[in-house]
Amino acid sequence: ETGVTQTPRHLVMGMTNKKSLKCEQHLGHNAMYWYKQSAKKPLELMFVYNFKEQTENNSVPSRFSPECPNSSHLFLHLHTLQPEDSALYLCASSQDRQKETQYFGPGTRLLVL
Amino acid sequence: GENVEQHPSTLSVQEGDSAVIKCTYSDSASNYFPWYKQELGKRPQLIIDIRSNVGEKKDQRIAVTLNKTAKHFSLHITETQPEDSAVYFCAATEASGGSYIPTFGRGTSLIVHP
Repeated sequence: ETGVTQTPRHLVMGMTNKKSLKCEQHLGHNAMYWYKQSAKKPLELMFVYNFKEQTENNSVPSRFSPECPNSSHLFLHLHTLQPEDSALYLCASSQDRQKETQYFGPGTRLLVL
Repeated sequence: GENVEQHPSTLSVQEGDSAVIKCTYSDSASNYFPWYKQELGKRPQLIIDIRSNVGEKKDQRIAVTLNKTAKHFSLHITETQPEDSAVYFCAATEASGGSYIPTFGRGTSLIVHP
């Protein structure tokens, strides 16, 4: 259960705030992912990083800005979010982008007021 | 892009009964189909997966079947127990530019009554 960690676990922010979500994986993986999980919706893939390079950006608004300084760490910088951005944000990792099995972190529950 | 439909959205069974969750996908290029279990307040965890060169895979009380021609795959849980209660997600994964990108279903909330 400690292979992929995320902080903070819960976050409440106003629409004018700037905050960052952090993900760290201890599995020696090279690919990392950000997902958004909203109620009654499928998991939505946001970003994919492979060996620190962004390989996928699924039309995510610019108020979400990812950063991957190394293969073990992934950040999601948040700025001027909207209430509809409230959701569970999940990080995942896989051995590399050509290995299909993903391991998820516990998520950050975000509430935008 | 890929589109995954998952049914039912809610499934209620008595302990000991079997549960079946079905998913369909649209892109014949998808070749890896994982199933994740997400308990309340916890992370999704892989419980079983199947690749397109296999028709069926079993792991104790859990089995997955794949029909490539019809583009559907199913999760079967036998002898259900209360601890099987969770949300189950299917996914269809296709290679895109060298990356394996999963498309998830909406999830099925399984409730097992003791």
